[in-house]
Amino acid sequence: NAGVTQTPKFQVLKTGQSMTLQCAQDMNHEYMSWYRQDPGMGLRLIHYSVGAGITDQGEVPNGYNVSRSTTEDFPLRLLSAAPSQTSVYFCASSFSGTGAGYTFGSGTRLTVV
Amino acid sequence: GNSVTQMEGPVTLSEEAFLTINCTYTATGYPSLFWYVQYPGEGLQLLLKATKADDKGSNKGFEATYRKETTSFHLEKGSVQVSDSAVYFCALTGGATNKLIFGTGTLLAVQP
Repeated sequence: NAGVTQTPKFQVLKTGQSMTLQCAQDMNHEYMSWYRQDPGMGLRLIHYSVGAGITDQGEVPNGYNVSRSTTEDFPLRLLSAAPSQTSVYFCASSFSGTGAGYTFGSGTRLTVV
Repeated sequence: GNSVTQMEGPVTLSEEAFLTINCTYTATGYPSLFWYVQYPGEGLQLLLKATKADDKGSNKGFEATYRKETTSFHLEKGSVQVSDSAVYFCALTGGATNKLIFGTGTLLAVQP
């Protein structure tokens, strides 16, 4: 089992560019989420999904889009990158049901210049 | 909405000292509670969890008890090691969406 796989691990973008952060899991988890981690602010939820075809906004969704066409994949799209989106991004997945806990990917470090 | 509050760091301890990191939560219903750990340069790992009141989660010498009456889930370890140096996050899930909500994290630095 690969678990949760995120690509790329590092990325530098110019302001205004767009890109997609990839996330894939091979555990048949229903729930998937994207977080950003900034110093002193913990992890903040960007978007989440409770199953294929179903997504919703988290705490900080502006500037990001998601889709969930399959159970395995949950890509995060940055529409027009801004320096404020410089962060470390984590994808996570979980079984349904209380107390299952989430498995995290290793993260993508994004710098917008 | 649901939220988690944990003590601010950094917490600096000498090896073999006793550790407590406080965590309290606000949630409707009966959330599940978690502690995650992030070692330098790595992602998050689930350290322990508890899914109902009075449950005690434990792993690697760390413990936390789900206290519904005080809405708390404090992390403890009797004797810390240098290798425990990391950022510790308290978190909860609850409701139909199973969203995982984090506290801001506590940096633990253990000195030899």
